[in-house]
Amino acid sequence: SQQGEEDPQALSIQEGENATMNCSYKTSINNLQWYRQNSGRGLVHLILIRSNEREKHSGRLRVTLDTSKKSSSLLITASRAADTASYFCATAASGGSYIPTFGRGTSLIVHP
Amino acid sequence: EAQVTQNPRYLITVTGKKLTVTCSQNMNHEYMSWYRQDPGLGLRQIYYSMNVEVTDKGDVPEGYKVSRKEKRNFPLILESPSPNQTSLYFCASSSPMTGGELFFGEGSRLTVL
Repeated sequence: SQQGEEDPQALSIQEGENATMNCSYKTSINNLQWYRQNSGRGLVHLILIRSNEREKHSGRLRVTLDTSKKSSSLLITASRAADTASYFCATAASGGSYIPTFGRGTSLIVHP
Repeated sequence: EAQVTQNPRYLITVTGKKLTVTCSQNMNHEYMSWYRQDPGLGLRQIYYSMNVEVTDKGDVPEGYKVSRKEKRNFPLILESPSPNQTSLYFCASSSPMTGGELFFGEGSRLTVL
């Protein structure tokens, strides 16, 4: 079954604003990854955070992980129209295969 | 250039006509996997392989077969396609040596009439 679930399903903001997406999952994980998908294209890896890490940054992206709450958040700061895409979290369960399963995604629209 | 290549990218077929979607990666990755993407359902894992001759079912394996005879290739076989297999399919590869980041192909859009 799908391990991670993103929230909200859809998010619409203005350019320059911050966008926050959340991911909740059910079982213990080895790591959690965030991916981006432009309409109908292949997914592109954004960032990976391990279960023993609490926060990670990459450019305008900030990811947090709270293993006690089984949740993660992705923050995109100073969003741009080019950030318009779907964002997915993917989790690799502890003791399972190392190949992650995905949630349903958050559709982000950034208006210029 | 590191890449995952899927073929065909687009296919329209009819119920019951066997088809194979090929997937090849040039990164010497141990892990390969297939996902299908449907509106409102996100990506669901069909099958995965952790090495040559090692395959396992994902969440939605019914109606699909896979094989991993070589490290670089992981074809997805639909023995008798049905309309509910109309979907966008993605192949991905990864390696535990590089943290498990998935590299995706560009997708194969399949329509079964």
